[in-house]
Amino acid sequence: EAGVAQSPRYKIIEKRQSVAFWCNPISGHATLYWYQQILGQGPKLLIQFQNNGVVDDSQLPKDRFSAERLKGVDSTLKIQPAKLEDSAVYLCASSSPAGTGAIQYFGAGTRLSVL
Amino acid sequence: AQSVTQLDSQVPVFEEAPVELRCNYSSSVSVYLFWYVQYPNQGLQLLLKYLSGSTLVESINGFEAEFNKSQTSFHLRKPSVHISDTAEYFCAVSLASNTGKLIFGQGTTLQVKP
Repeated sequence: EAGVAQSPRYKIIEKRQSVAFWCNPISGHATLYWYQQILGQGPKLLIQFQNNGVVDDSQLPKDRFSAERLKGVDSTLKIQPAKLEDSAVYLCASSSPAGTGAIQYFGAGTRLSVL
Repeated sequence: AQSVTQLDSQVPVFEEAPVELRCNYSSSVSVYLFWYVQYPNQGLQLLLKYLSGSTLVESINGFEAEFNKSQTSFHLRKPSVHISDTAEYFCAVSLASNTGKLIFGQGTTLQVKP
């Protein structure tokens, strides 16, 4: 089966610009996660969707970050405006079934550099 | 709050030598434990997990990890490493009563030298 697809793979922008990342999960996976991985750190959950509803967005900086999963399949994560500290790899993951213990399958990530 | 600490940021080792990557966690409630591996320019892949039952879990490529509740540890071991094991390894926990959210450690870079 096809894995989790993410695009673009790399993005370089200047601070205060906006950027969007796209994720296509594994077919049939109802749960989708966005993680932020800053260099030298482990991934940190930004937002979790169950179908097209938000389950957890407690660590999403809502003043600048937004995410949507309109039809319960693809998802988009947006940053507007970007700050220098947003430089990181943004990972998308999906799982099925939902809940604890389920294996999360990760995409290759989008590496964002904010100059 | 839950946290995961990987005690070594880098572990250099020669090929065919044994290796142990250490992971400790902190949680007041039951957790599930995972090890993920990240090869260069690839996404994270599940290596092994502990949900319940036998405290020793094994992967298909020779790694094993043992859940030690009293020491709150989940160390990863392999008796003989290969060059191809060079990668970053992440330990993670998920609350047993939660939504599946993973809390990751900082990662350990395993460098296997010929």
